[in-house]
Amino acid sequence: EVQLVESGGGLIQPGGSLRLSCAASGFTVSSNYMSWVRQAPGKGLEWVSVIYSGGSTYYADSVKGRFTISRDNSKNTLYLQMNSLRAEDTAVYYCARGRASGTDGEYYFDYWGQGTLVTVSS
Amino acid sequence: SYELTQPPSVSVSPGQTARITCSGDALPKKYAYWYQQKSGQAPVLVIYEDSKRPSGIPERFSGSSSGTMATLTISGAQVEDEADYYCYSTDSSGNHRGVFGGGTKLTVL
Repeated sequence: EVQLVESGGGLIQPGGSLRLSCAASGFTVSSNYMSWVRQAPGKGLEWVSVIYSGGSTYYADSVKGRFTISRDNSKNTLYLQMNSLRAEDTAVYYCARGRASGTDGEYYFDYWGQGTLVTVSS
Repeated sequence: SYELTQPPSVSVSPGQTARITCSGDALPKKYAYWYQQKSGQAPVLVIYEDSKRPSGIPERFSGSSSGTMATLTISGAQVEDEADYYCYSTDSSGNHRGVFGGGTKLTVL
């Protein structure tokens, strides 16, 4: 059974750093596309980042240069390192397994974790 | 940046057909996907590659796409289908970014 369990969220001051983790079971993280998607309170879903099985990474403009997606193959775990956090980064962060589809660079999400809440406030 | 546009809300009575649209310039070249999100829960995939239904999703959920518009149809909507629905696709500019629509609140009452 595929499972994704996020952790690492919490209250952090503006300008601070936080690392989110997503422990996967039932499949191999390194063999799949993996993504982070966030949802601000009362708002819609926002794609944040993806890491391809080959290791290529891509980011939303809103987080580029501040967030880093990575994985630890030995732990079958996905990470999101978040630096220089801002109030507008406050959201529930979901990790999701991606599936390649269609043309190059096309993918979607078939399994999601339950999310971890990040609150950026002084 | 690429955008997908959805109506903020759709309302139907139980048993009626609900249609939720999603428009985007790249949809003629990219698949549309649909996610259902109930209050306090993670999103669930209900339609992939425009019109395919994952196992476990009721047959009343269907999808279609024509030109720059994709449509999620719920035939005979049930009270338990009340949720937020998001369309999703990927940017066609080669930047490998995912894009969600703004979401549509479906009310069934």
